[in-house]
Amino acid sequence: DQQVKQNSPSLSVQEGRISILNCDYTNSMFDYFLWYKKYPAEGPTFLISISSIKDKNEDGRFTVFLNKSAKHLSLHIVPSQPGDSAVYFCAASATSGTYKYIFGTGTRLKVLA
Amino acid sequence: ETGVTQTPRHLVMGMTNKKSLKCEQHLGHNAMYWYKQSAKKPLELMFVYNFKEQTENNSVPSRFSPECPNSSHLFLHLHTLQPEDSALYLCASSRTSGRTDTQYFGPGTRLTVL
Repeated sequence: DQQVKQNSPSLSVQEGRISILNCDYTNSMFDYFLWYKKYPAEGPTFLISISSIKDKNEDGRFTVFLNKSAKHLSLHIVPSQPGDSAVYFCAASATSGTYKYIFGTGTRLKVLA
Repeated sequence: ETGVTQTPRHLVMGMTNKKSLKCEQHLGHNAMYWYKQSAKKPLELMFVYNFKEQTENNSVPSRFSPECPNSSHLFLHLHTLQPEDSALYLCASSRTSGRTDTQYFGPGTRLTVL
């Protein structure tokens, strides 16, 4: 049973528009969330994180929103650029246990020029 | 070399072979990880080492045997694997194994078991 779900396997967006990638989780003990980006033939690279004490974290063009009551987080990319085309993974971890990250299956974003 | 490197990048092996995957990090980190990514499945943590000591074994079958001789190197020894073990194996490192320490990933080894 997947605790972190990315229900959209792919997303296409026009250059300059907003990209919104979604992630849902089921474990109410998760309190730290991350987004990673992966280009082909490369390892995932860290993008942005958010702790459950916040509902928003922003870094340049990237903003992560957390809705704890809905167990939902989203990554907004504004404006989207062709170089943002990659697979995006969300991950979560809980305060208890081993602090390991639980990853989603990823969403492939394609930004069209 | 910078960051996290992995060798080989691709590996094809038979079920009776013994092979090893190598990971090296040049970031001065103290924690290293092995992850597995099978097709259409999420990244799955296999092992965690912190200051050369194994701190996590995520119920991984014994045909996968990790080795961490020092904080910069991590190996995954493979023996009598099954075709379902074919996957992308990713190594990562972080300053410590604390969850807010960013994990830096290598490019992975694409393993095919025939």
